[in-house]
Amino acid sequence: KNEVEQSPQNLTAQEGEFITINCSYSVGISALHWLQQHPGGGIVSLFMLSSGKKKHGRLIATINIQEKHSSLHITASHPRDSAVYICAVKNTDKLIFGTGTRLQVFP
Amino acid sequence: EPEVTQTPSHQVTQMGQEVILRCVPISNHLYFYWYRQILGQKVEFLVSFYNNEISEKSEIFDDQFSVERPDGSNFTLKIRSTKLEDSAMYFCASSAQGSEQFFGPGTRLTVL
Repeated sequence: KNEVEQSPQNLTAQEGEFITINCSYSVGISALHWLQQHPGGGIVSLFMLSSGKKKHGRLIATINIQEKHSSLHITASHPRDSAVYICAVKNTDKLIFGTGTRLQVFP
Repeated sequence: EPEVTQTPSHQVTQMGQEVILRCVPISNHLYFYWYRQILGQKVEFLVSFYNNEISEKSEIFDDQFSVERPDGSNFTLKIRSTKLEDSAMYFCASSAQGSEQFFGPGTRLTVL
């Protein structure tokens, strides 16, 4: 069983829709990261959070430590948001990655 | 804005050859990491490095792998005798204490 599970694996949306990607984990963590990976392969950090909620532009990330669950929301989605979104948890010194959610936003 | 850089962007090598992948972390960061991503799979942790020594390593990081910080700026990953299954994208990352990790653009390693 994966220590970090994401859902859905694939997601398609129309431009303007509200998007939610979920992440559950089964290990102890000190922080949780949401990352974005574009087709070229590069990984960009979106958020690091250990409690509560963070917002950056149209992106919102929440975490519930008791339930070991985090969500990434995208408001007013746009085709340029199309990418793989990855949840990764910080466990001891390392990040443990989920398998990612592939998002495609169509105009 | 400071960023992590990696060279080369793509390395092709023959099975059994040694390769060295290079990374320049963000200058005031003290924690360094290597990860790999086999095509179509999730990113996997290889090793973390702090204060000139390995702080944690995964099962993947066997005797064929080594890391080094040869000077004040570079952080290298060496694979002594490459295997076909070493073909992957290798990402370097760095962080300050308690902060998020910043990733380099990756080196695509192809072993023939």
